[in-house]
Amino acid sequence: AQSVSQHNHHVILSEAASLELGCNYSYGGTVNLFWYVQYPGQHLQLLLKYFSGDPLVKGIKGFEAEFIKSKFSFNLRKPSVQWSDTAEYFCAVNAPGGNNDMRFGAGTRLTVKP
Amino acid sequence: DTGVSQDPRHKITKRGQNVTFRCDPISEHNRLYWYRQTLGQGPEFLTYFQNEAQLEKSRLLSDRFSAERPKGSFSTLEIQRTEQGDSAMYLCASSTRNLQQFFGPGTRLTVL
Repeated sequence: AQSVSQHNHHVILSEAASLELGCNYSYGGTVNLFWYVQYPGQHLQLLLKYFSGDPLVKGIKGFEAEFIKSKFSFNLRKPSVQWSDTAEYFCAVNAPGGNNDMRFGAGTRLTVKP
Repeated sequence: DTGVSQDPRHKITKRGQNVTFRCDPISEHNRLYWYRQTLGQGPEFLTYFQNEAQLEKSRLLSDRFSAERPKGSFSTLEIQRTEQGDSAMYLCASSTRNLQQFFGPGTRLTVL
């Protein structure tokens, strides 16, 4: 069964600091990988996704993620965070060609201090 | 707004009562999903529809839970004889084929 681990439960940064949120998944086959963000009081929104091709994926708002197959990882990065990036971030995985049910990590709460 | 909508946004009920939630997916999306999210956790998959067919159900979906999508458009999730452990955010998402899922705002259920 697929599972997703997010190593950091709560990250606190100052504005302009660099961000890296860890995500590891457990699944033996081909996977699709996602990062979703949930801003306070809002619904889940897609930040970026990886299906195939270039393992370095660029998403919205300056976020990027790198798929490292050998490490079963899909870490999220941003060079310089802003106060508006304060949110909950969820890594997710599904198996292409299957029923497409998504497995989510427990989430990482990011607090950016102004 | 052409996104996924859910109704109601909040529901407070007493233990033992039945509740029903509705999800309206993005109109051209043939796949619809229900998830449950509790505090401090990511969403957990409950069930999945392709058009009107319910193709997969998680073991989390006990026999008190039932979901329907009668015409392949909107879906309902019913919880019978609610328990305090059912308190959670219930999320609906929709997609086309094997692409990204778009999530609705959720229905927050509180069982007293």
